[in-house]
Amino acid sequence: EAAVTQSPRNKVAVTGGKVTLSCNQTNNHNNMYWYRQDTGHGLRLIHYSYGAGSTEKGDIPDGYKASRPSQENFSLILELATPSQTSVYFCASGGGKGNERLFFGHGTKLSVL
Amino acid sequence: AQSVTQPDARVTVSEGASLQLRCKYSYSATPYLFWYVQYPRQGLQMLLKYYSGDPVVQGVNGFEAEFSKSDSSFHLRKASVHWSDSAVYFCAVDRGSALGRLHFGAGTQLIVIP
Repeated sequence: EAAVTQSPRNKVAVTGGKVTLSCNQTNNHNNMYWYRQDTGHGLRLIHYSYGAGSTEKGDIPDGYKASRPSQENFSLILELATPSQTSVYFCASGGGKGNERLFFGHGTKLSVL
Repeated sequence: AQSVTQPDARVTVSEGASLQLRCKYSYSATPYLFWYVQYPRQGLQMLLKYYSGDPVVQGVNGFEAEFSKSDSSFHLRKASVHWSDSAVYFCAVDRGSALGRLHFGAGTQLIVIP
């Protein structure tokens, strides 16, 4: 079974601070994604990547950066965290022709105070 | 505008009863369609997917979904629910290129009463 691991599982940050959410996958998938989940909105795509060194903006990229230093790792970076970024963040890998299924991590609950 | 609508935020059913969770989408072409489930404190898992062919697709754990092009719908069904089916169910579409950029509905919380 494909594995996607996120860290940390919970994070409390202060407004204006920098936050880095990490994701590691052992599936050898080219594509990776960051989503946030908020009540009433389902999951919304923040950034995604087609492979090491590439990042693309999703539907709600403002206030977020992404980094894909290797096939296995994909980070989401909040340079100046704000309370509106309090949410649950999910990383996923997969997608693509013949591999449409996404495999999700367990999520990171971020609270920005 | 492109959208995925799950009109029911919460559905409550008794164990053993049948189930239908509704999903309607608005896209210019028929996209890849998915149902995902989220159990408490876990990530999402795919139940089933559809792109072409037989409009009724089978998924895991006895779930199936029916695609209707005329109605732009992709409703999820199960003949007899179990208490362990209690979870949040998301309908999602892949925006035409099947590259994993899913657009999710808001989700439907299913509560199964034993």
